[in-house]
Amino acid sequence: ETGVTQSPTHLIKTRGQQVTLRCSSQSGHNTVSWYQQALGQGPQFIFQYYREEENGRGNFPPRFSGLQFPNYSSELNVNALELDDSALYLCASSRGAVNEQFFGPGTRLTVL
Amino acid sequence: QQQVKQSPQSLIVQKGGIPIINCAYENTAFDYFPWYQQFPGKGPALLIAIRPDVSEKKEGRFTISFNKSAKQFSLHIMDSQPGDSATYFCAASIEKAGTALIFGKGTTLSVSS
Repeated sequence: ETGVTQSPTHLIKTRGQQVTLRCSSQSGHNTVSWYQQALGQGPQFIFQYYREEENGRGNFPPRFSGLQFPNYSSELNVNALELDDSALYLCASSRGAVNEQFFGPGTRLTVL
Repeated sequence: QQQVKQSPQSLIVQKGGIPIINCAYENTAFDYFPWYQQFPGKGPALLIAIRPDVSEKKEGRFTISFNKSAKQFSLHIMDSQPGDSATYFCAASIEKAGTALIFGKGTTLSVSS
């Protein structure tokens, strides 16, 4: 069984740029959730995708957007990057409505 | 009402000790309570989870105690080892599609040999 994978591992961008992060869900999982983890904090929910549609969203502005593809992989896009967007971005996959979420290793985004 | 409060922020125990990490919640609609372990530079790994129909769950050296009336739950690590040194997060959610895991702020555990 393949676990959750994310790419890239690290990314450095400058303020105002746009970024796309990618996630492949665990085999057999059809739901992908994205979280932002600031240094020294717990992960914070950004949004969830199920059957290629956004299925729940946390308190993040519209410049955070996403996609889910027919193979259940997903992208997180962030426009107009701000310094406070520097964080570890985590993708988690789960099977349908069951909330047992399995996390990938994350993408470390640094905004300069 | 969506918060999960976790304590202590950090914990140091000797090898073989039993660290206890506590979490409290307000939202009585929460019905799924997992614990995650995170090593530096890695994603959180699901350790153990409990649902409110039981008061205790054990998996290996990890035990969750759950007190529904007090809206509290805790993680006990039996016979702790230096390899258990990590950050531990409790979380809570309503187990249906579209809902988020609400995480505590984490507890950094150091187990000295």
